[in-house]
Amino acid sequence: DAGITQSPRHKVTETGTPVTLRCHQTENHRYMYWYRQDPGHGLRLIHYSYGVKDTDKGEVSDGYSVSRSKTEDFLLTLESATSSQTSVYFCAISESEQETQYFGPGTRLLVL
Amino acid sequence: EDKVVQSPLSLVVHEGDTVTLNCSYEVTNFRSLLWYKQEKKAPTFLFMLTSSGIEKKSGRLSSILDKKELFSILNITATQTGDSAIYLCAVRYLRGAQKLVFGQGTRLTINP
Repeated sequence: DAGITQSPRHKVTETGTPVTLRCHQTENHRYMYWYRQDPGHGLRLIHYSYGVKDTDKGEVSDGYSVSRSKTEDFLLTLESATSSQTSVYFCAISESEQETQYFGPGTRLLVL
Repeated sequence: EDKVVQSPLSLVVHEGDTVTLNCSYEVTNFRSLLWYKQEKKAPTFLFMLTSSGIEKKSGRLSSILDKKELFSILNITATQTGDSAIYLCAVRYLRGAQKLVFGQGTRLTINP
């Protein structure tokens, strides 16, 4: 298995509070991605990074921001959580944009 | 709009049966198609297909891509209860950077 960890694995928070999810990799892969998974929608890309301090938006980026200050860490922040952001969040990594993406174990977030 | 459609959405069969899962897509600048298996955790990679008509095989699983008709199938022969999972199809396309768009997934249940 690719060396990817996510923290926390589970979180319950209240509407309006900020939340930060962390993805950590030990593979030294250049590309990192954040997805959310919801019933009926499959996996949808939120943001991705193609290097330290280099990030770009995915298809569902509204309400989310990201940062990558080190190769191994990619942070996803919900500035002010809403109930619509209740979801399972997956981080993924790949060596290049052509290579296979490998997924972390996921973070289950509940916004009340 | 780039999209990937999987069918059926749900399938229940008996152990030993053979199943065929379908994935059709409409994307611009197609690059590759990937299959993942998801049990109660992160998606795990099965196959990546880039060329039409070339079957990829791993044990009882096989997959093939038809770039003319824009679809792929995943076959599982002699199914076992451990094959029960959600099977995800994703298509990599180029728009600016290369990105993945996922289908909704097929939930496969194998009954003993």
